Amino acid sequence: GAGVSQTPSNKVTEKGKYVELRCDPISGHTALYWYRQSLGQGPEFLIYFQGTGAADDSGLPNDRFFAVRPEGSVSTLKIQRTERGDSAVYLCASSPGPAYTEAFFGQGTRLTVV
Amino acid sequence: QKEVEQDPGPLSVPEGAIVSLNCTYSNSAFQYFMWYRQYSRKGPELLMYTYSSGNKEDGRFTAQVDKSSKYISLFIRDSQPSDSATYLCASGMDSNYQLIWGAGTKLIIKP
Repeated sequence: GAGVSQTPSNKVTEKGKYVELRCDPISGHTALYWYRQSLGQGPEFLIYFQGTGAADDSGLPNDRFFAVRPEGSVSTLKIQRTERGDSAVYLCASSPGPAYTEAFFGQGTRLTVV
Repeated sequence: QKEVEQDPGPLSVPEGAIVSLNCTYSNSAFQYFMWYRQYSRKGPELLMYTYSSGNKEDGRFTAQVDKSSKYISLFIRDSQPSDSATYLCASGMDSNYQLIWGAGTKLIIKP
């Protein structure tokens, strides 16, 4: 595709449910980042993949959050036992290499936990 | 104290004015200083970045970094209504891939 694609655009879920958020990076981009943006705030780093492996997952807030990228392309962010505080826009970015100076962002998935 | 501080605004200026957007940071290890533009319900879009100190110009946009005062600026000349958006500064180090972001300044250009 022409850009980074994230699905769904919007997700409303009940507290305690499990959700999966998908990111399709730009074709050929080896680096992939997940960020979380709360209302009125800047993005907050969650995890960085180089290829299939998570090179840095230090931003994941707790063990309810997990992300995978099994074939080095599409990535899925998984949130277990969702809480109202998880409500935010989840942004994905990809770049041709590790330098975040070349990263392109998707439009984000707006997650609302009710 | 947040590592990158930015006034949330809103900042409202008339069309054609010069806009000055600013951030301060606290971590002296930061080497990358980025400016992003974010329209409502869209992802951030990189405008420009500076490595270490100095100025960088791209069309109507100029980025400045003063490492002695830990101050980052973005200037927009001949501002247009289409420049109305939230502007986010972000900083990073050579040693890892985490960008630390300001909260963003909402800019409104009045026709």
